[in-house]
Amino acid sequence: GEDVEQSLFLSVREGDSSVINCTYTDSSSTYLYWYKQEPGAGLQLLTYIFSNMDMKQDQRLTVLLNKKDKHLSLRIADTQTGDSAIYFCAETPIRGSTLGRLYFGRGTQLTVWP
Amino acid sequence: DGGITQSPKYLFRKEGQNVTLSCEQNLNHDAMYWYRQDPGQGLRLIYYSQIVNDFQKGDIAEGYSVSREKKESFPLTVTSAQKNPTAFYLCASSPGLAATGELFFGEGSRLTVL
Repeated sequence: GEDVEQSLFLSVREGDSSVINCTYTDSSSTYLYWYKQEPGAGLQLLTYIFSNMDMKQDQRLTVLLNKKDKHLSLRIADTQTGDSAIYFCAETPIRGSTLGRLYFGRGTQLTVWP
Repeated sequence: DGGITQSPKYLFRKEGQNVTLSCEQNLNHDAMYWYRQDPGQGLRLIYYSQIVNDFQKGDIAEGYSVSREKKESFPLTVTSAQKNPTAFYLCASSPGLAATGELFFGEGSRLTVL
């Protein structure tokens, strides 16, 4: 089955860049996602990348995809204290009947120190 | 505003009691999902429904039941057969197979069994 792995914790200083890494096993993944969860709340989509892309940039966020190594990363430039949250990597397989059924990593708790 | 509403936000239950968590969406989405979140374990899929009057078991369906009588509603019942029900429950929806697979989440319901 699908397996998505992330490190559990990351701490950075305000103003530095944060890089959150994720690996996945399903080579047929179509879309890969980054979601953000603030304490006691649901998840919000930050960005996603289609599997035929290598990079996607959206303001302070840069997503890099290495399909050969099945590695996905999220870089947050100029990290702010408001970026402190849990970040989830997720993927959805190519099988059409399950599109929309996402497989999530365990989440990376990002702590930003002032 | 369009969105997903979960209720109640907090719920306490005695052992042996069934409890139903409500999930309503006004996004006109075809697919709806229930996830369970435990600390450090990420999100695990309980049940999902891609169309009214049809639903499928996810990875941890034992001890749970759902119904999908209306497009906008997907309630989850946590039965007394669920051995460890204390968790944070998240409902989500997506437009369906034609979309990117992005999920839209509610704010969650925290269930505590006393």
